[in-house]
Parts: sequence; C-alpha cells; structure tokens
Amino acid sequence: GAGVSQSPRYKVAKRGQDVALRCDPISGHVSLFWYQQALGQGPEFLTYFQNEAQLDKSGLPSDRFFAERPEGSVSTLKIQRTQQEDSAVYLCASSLRERPRGGANVLTFGAGSRLTVL
Amino acid sequence: GESVGLHLPTLSVQEGDNSIINCAYSNSASDYFIWYKQESGKGPQFIIDIRSNMDKRQGQRVTVLLNKTVKHLSLQIAATQPGDSAVYFCAEDRSNTGKLIFGQGTTLQVKP
Repeated sequence: GAGVSQSPRYKVAKRGQDVALRCDPISGHVSLFWYQQALGQGPEFLTYFQNEAQLDKSGLPSDRFFAERPEGSVSTLKIQRTQQEDSAVYLCASSLRERPRGGANVLTFGAGSRLTVL
Repeated sequence: GESVGLHLPTLSVQEGDNSIINCAYSNSASDYFIWYKQESGKGPQFIIDIRSNMDKRQGQRVTVLLNKTVKHLSLQIAATQPGDSAVYFCAEDRSNTGKLIFGQGTTLQVKP
C-alpha cells in the first residue's frame, strides 16, 4: 500500500482484557518496528522485525506484551491482561532493509492505535 | 543512561519568522540524527537527517546543525508557516541497532 496502515485506530479495553493491534507495513519494506507513545512523550521503542525474525524485543515492558510477524508482512502486537499503564498510542513503522547510500534508516510511521484501558 | 532530549517543551513564533528547535543528546555513538514532525492524530513524519560526520545539512526551508563538541542538534525552519505547527522530535539512529531513540519533543505553535 501507499503507507503504513494500523487498526484499530481507537481501542477501549477494560482492565484485564486482551487486545490485539494490527499493522500493515508498506509493501516491500523488510523492517518493521513497534513503538509506544504515552501522552506528551516521545515514542519509545518496543520491538523490531526483519522479515519474520524478531531481532530485538528489548523494549517490551513485560511478558504481557507479545508481537509477531509470521509471514514477514503484517504484524500484530498483542497485550494480555491489560493494565491502565498500558494506555498509550502504539505506533508501527516500516523501513527498507538496505540503508540508502549516505542516508539514515528512515522510518515511515502509521497513524497509530490509541489504546485506553479503563 | 543514554538519552536524547529537548531544551524547551513549547516554542511559539509569529508566522513568517524563523524557528529554531534544539535538542541535546548524551550518546556519541550515533551514526545519524533525524528530525521528525508529528501533527495531532498522526504518526511522526520524517523531515531531515544528518550524518554524524557532518555539521550542517539543508533541505527545503529547513536546516539541521550538529555540534558534536557540545552534543547539540538544532532544526531551523525558515519563514515558519501555520502548517508547521506540530510536535518536533529529534531521534538518534545507530546502524548496529536498527532502532531509533526519540527525545521528548518540542511543540511548535505558529501565530498568524
């Protein structure tokens, strides 16, 4: 597609519920990232995939958070037994695997999924 | 610990004036520094990047300056327009990690 698509855009969950957030990256983008953005803060890294391989999950805050990308395209971020502190915008981003000559690893972000846990 | 942070949380400028948004970083191992713009309800959008061995890079109406001596980064926006109103983040890019580390952000408000 033309951009990174995330769904749902808004999700309200009761404390203790499980949620699943979906990300459709740009077609052909090999790398996929999940970030968490609390209100008024910068995005915080959660996890990173290259194709279907999860290369870095050091930012996942607890074992309640799980991400997968089984076929190297669409990714799902799952949060089990949601807590109020999980309320945030969850951003997905994708990038080309190879760095452009002389350039940075530029990420293209989706609009995010806003999770509110009551 | 490592961090990428911003000096001022909010910057208010008059339309047509130049804007300067600052960022301080603590880790010198970055390969690139990148500026992102985030409008309300949207994800961050790439503006411009600068490699760590450069001290200045210009884009369309934007200039990024890097001072490695004092670990300081700035984004200059010329002739600021209402459409420039957003939160601006600097981010640190280290090629061996694949991830970006973002600062806290500066809100730019453009007054008509």
